[in-house]
Amino acid sequence: DQQVKQNSPSLSVQEGRISILNCDYTNSMFDYFLWYKKYPAEGPTFLISISSIKDKNEDGRFTVFLNKSAKHLSLHIVPSQPGDSAVYFCAAKKRDDMRFGAGTRLTVKP
Amino acid sequence: KAGVTQTPRYLIKTRGQQVTLSCSPISGHRSVSWYQQTPGQGLQFLFEYFSETQRNKGNFPGRFSGRQFSNSRSEMNVSTLELGDSALYLCASSLVGFTNTEAFFGQGTRLTVV
Repeated sequence: DQQVKQNSPSLSVQEGRISILNCDYTNSMFDYFLWYKKYPAEGPTFLISISSIKDKNEDGRFTVFLNKSAKHLSLHIVPSQPGDSAVYFCAAKKRDDMRFGAGTRLTVKP
Repeated sequence: KAGVTQTPRYLIKTRGQQVTLSCSPISGHRSVSWYQQTPGQGLQFLFEYFSETQRNKGNFPGRFSGRQFSNSRSEMNVSTLELGDSALYLCASSLVGFTNTEAFFGQGTRLTVV
């Protein structure tokens, strides 16, 4: 059962523009959400997270938005840079159980 | 401080064989989770161990098993390998599952079944 879904397998944006990556979840028990970035031949690395008691968390160029009623979260990257090109995974967590989406491959073109 | 270490990095096995993968978590981390990454399927949760006990399990067949030792190192075993088991296997460690801390991933073991 795919409790966390990233419906866009890929996204291409121009350098300097905004990248918006989306993630939907089905289980309302999830109370913590994370984004990970993965480069080829490396393990995923933590990027940013948000607790279910918040609707926005910002860290530099990265902002995560959470819409609990819609069970939707998004990651905004502004401005996008070529080094941001990677696969982005969203994850949702409840207690000790963390589930990931299938990932979105972001390509930032110079 | 050392990161999560997975060995071996690459493996080639034949159908029907079994394989054991190893994961050494960050020192002090007691939770180890295993994931399978395949193209199109993303990261799929296999199981999670905490203090030598399996706490959570994903929807994988019984051919996939694991264990955790007293030093928190974990092993994952896949028996009767199938071609579809070819994937990148990632383990992640975290301090204590109940707290909202992010998991730290190893570089993974690339398993190819021929």
